[in-house]
Amino acid sequence: GENVEQHPSTLSVQEGDSAVIKCTYSDSASNYFPWYKQELGKGPQLIIDIRSNVGEKKDQRIAVTLNKTAKHFSLHITETQPEDSAVYFCAATSSGSARQLTFGSGTQLTVLP
Amino acid sequence: DTEVTQTPKHLVMGMTNKKSLKCEQHMGHRAMYWYKQKAKKPPELMFVYSYEKLSINESVPSRFSPECPNSSLLNLHLHALQPEDSALYLCASSRTGGTNTGELFFGEGSRLTVL
Repeated sequence: GENVEQHPSTLSVQEGDSAVIKCTYSDSASNYFPWYKQELGKGPQLIIDIRSNVGEKKDQRIAVTLNKTAKHFSLHITETQPEDSAVYFCAATSSGSARQLTFGSGTQLTVLP
Repeated sequence: DTEVTQTPKHLVMGMTNKKSLKCEQHMGHRAMYWYKQKAKKPPELMFVYSYEKLSINESVPSRFSPECPNSSLLNLHLHALQPEDSALYLCASSRTGGTNTGELFFGEGSRLTVL
C-alpha cells in the first residue's frame, strides 16, 4: 500500500517569513495530493490540493508543488501570519479499488509574532 | 451549507457503557467516513460508507459498530470499549462514493474518553 512520509515534524518561523513542508510518497499510481490544516480542537480542513497532471498550484499565499519523478510534493506558505499556526497533514491516494487517502504524520507549524 | 456536524463534542463513558456518536451532512455527499485520531497523530480510517452501504472496514474491532440510516446520517455505536479507545473520532464526507479522489469535509470531532 501507499506510504507517505512528512518532514519536518515541527517548524517555527517568524511572522512574515516563508514555511515549507515536504512529503514523499511510495505508490507511483497515486494521483491526488491534498493538504489539510488542523487547528486545535477542530477537524482537518482542506487548504489546497494537486493532481498528478499538474506540477504546481497556487492559491494566494499557499502553493503546492509536485515532482512525480521523484515522488515528492511540498507545501509553501509565504508571508506567514500567526493564524497559520496549526498542524498540517499531507496525503496521497492509495492504490487499489478503494483508493482511500493515506496521511503523512503531520507538521506542527508555529508562527512567532 | 458545507458543514459536517458531529454530536456530542465530548463523551466520557465506562467500559461497560453503550453510547453512540452521530454525524450529519446536508451537502448531498454520497460517501461518509469514520476516522480515529490519537493526539499528535494523523487520522486513521475506520469505516467508509458509499451510497449508504458499508464499503470499507479497516479491521476495526466489533466493539465499534457503524450505521448509516440514510445518505445524510452516520452513527458509530460504541460498546464495551477499552481505555485505549480514547481518542478524537472524526466524521467526514465526500461528494463521490467509493473512490476517494475528491475533497474530504471533516466535522470537528467527538472527543471520547473511556474510563
